[in-house]
Amino acid sequence: AQTVTQSQPEMSVQEAETVTLSCTYDTSESDYYLFWYKQPPSRQMILVIRQEAYKQQNATENRFSVNFQKAAKSFSLKISDSQLGDAAMYFCAYRSGDSGGGADGLTFGKGTHLIIQP
Amino acid sequence: EPEVTQTPSHQVTQMGQEVILRCVPISNHLYFYWYRQILGQKVEFLVSFYNNEISEKSEIFDDQFSVERPDGSNFTLKIRSTKLEDSAMYFCASSPTRGGEKLFFGSGTQLSVL
Repeated sequence: AQTVTQSQPEMSVQEAETVTLSCTYDTSESDYYLFWYKQPPSRQMILVIRQEAYKQQNATENRFSVNFQKAAKSFSLKISDSQLGDAAMYFCAYRSGDSGGGADGLTFGKGTHLIIQP
Repeated sequence: EPEVTQTPSHQVTQMGQEVILRCVPISNHLYFYWYRQILGQKVEFLVSFYNNEISEKSEIFDDQFSVERPDGSNFTLKIRSTKLEDSAMYFCASSPTRGGEKLFFGSGTQLSVL
């Protein structure tokens, strides 16, 4: 079974600075996707960024980028120019590819609470 | 962009009562999911549903839980006899494929069991 580990329960960063959230995962599959979800106080799950395992290039979405290290099974999220609106819980998640035989749906990590200090 | 819709947004019930949480997945999606999140904890998988039957379920999804797609559009989660520990946010999600790129989440139903 796949597992996702987020070792930082809480991170704090000054507004406009850069912060990196860590995520590691364990799988025997070669076809899979990785995601970062943001959960603000409203508790809605908002997709921040996704990475296909077969792509070597790291995904980027505006101020959000990932450092995907497939051999190390590491998938960190970098937030540049942090803004007050970035304050939220961030969950790393894993999903098998369509051809995979692994678990259905998403497997989540425990989350990192990101605090933005003005 | 199409959305997954969940109703109600909040549900309060007495312990021992039955509740039904409702979801309308995106219309051309084939795979449906329920997740729950106890306050302050991670999001946990409950069950997946495909072709009118459960495809996977977690340990949490015991005999008190059931899912149904009664009319081709709604997807429901029923808890037969609620317990205090069932208090959580319940998220419905849908996807066009079993695995792969993206799961679409609803905005959740906060269930409070008193």
